[in-house]
Amino acid sequence: DTGVSQNPRHKITKRGQNVTFRCDPISEHNRLYWYRQTLGQGPEFLTYFQNEAQLEKSRLLSDRFSAERPKGSFSTLEIQRTEQGDSAMYLCASSKDSLTEAFFGQGTRLTVV
Amino acid sequence: GQQVMQIPQYQHVQEGEDFTTYCNSSTTLSNIQWYKQRPGGHPVFLIQLVKSGEVKKQKRLTFQFGEAKKNSSLHITATQTTDVGTYFCAGREAGTALIFGKGTTLSVSS
Repeated sequence: DTGVSQNPRHKITKRGQNVTFRCDPISEHNRLYWYRQTLGQGPEFLTYFQNEAQLEKSRLLSDRFSAERPKGSFSTLEIQRTEQGDSAMYLCASSKDSLTEAFFGQGTRLTVV
Repeated sequence: GQQVMQIPQYQHVQEGEDFTTYCNSSTTLSNIQWYKQRPGGHPVFLIQLVKSGEVKKQKRLTFQFGEAKKNSSLHITATQTTDVGTYFCAGREAGTALIFGKGTTLSVSS
């Protein structure tokens, strides 16, 4: 499968715990995006990378969120000290460059209890 | 910051009726993309518009990009039950991230 892969698909965690999600983009896609989506809403932009460089991070994003793309391939999104409001679907997408379409993964559904 | 707004939020039609969703950006866009998300699925790319005033068609779907590159529309002719889902526009200013609207959810009854 050469699509965008996200792991895990589902994560249930207790409030206050840290969680980490992984995204493997389509091979040779330079751009990688992280979005968060809640029921009835559109994907909310979190951050994006051009190769290994994190180019933009949403101003609405808490300091508890951090993302990396160390070698310009896969990326991880970590949420520290999770809160119930963090419960959402976390979507990763990749694109070849800034001018082409984004391909989404299946997402990681986070539930904070 | 850049904002992308879509109306209506929901639309219910009878099969065979037409459907239109509108997208407006607070800033001038370098391009706009449209995605469709089925219930339980992830957004899937439909089309990208780049040029001012551009119109593109995909079978029963017609996409337009405004002259000022700040608005766009998606029109579906003679809807079918397979058109059900949420349609998102996503806009990008030059060199920035892709920002999504909240989407229009289409339901179709036969």
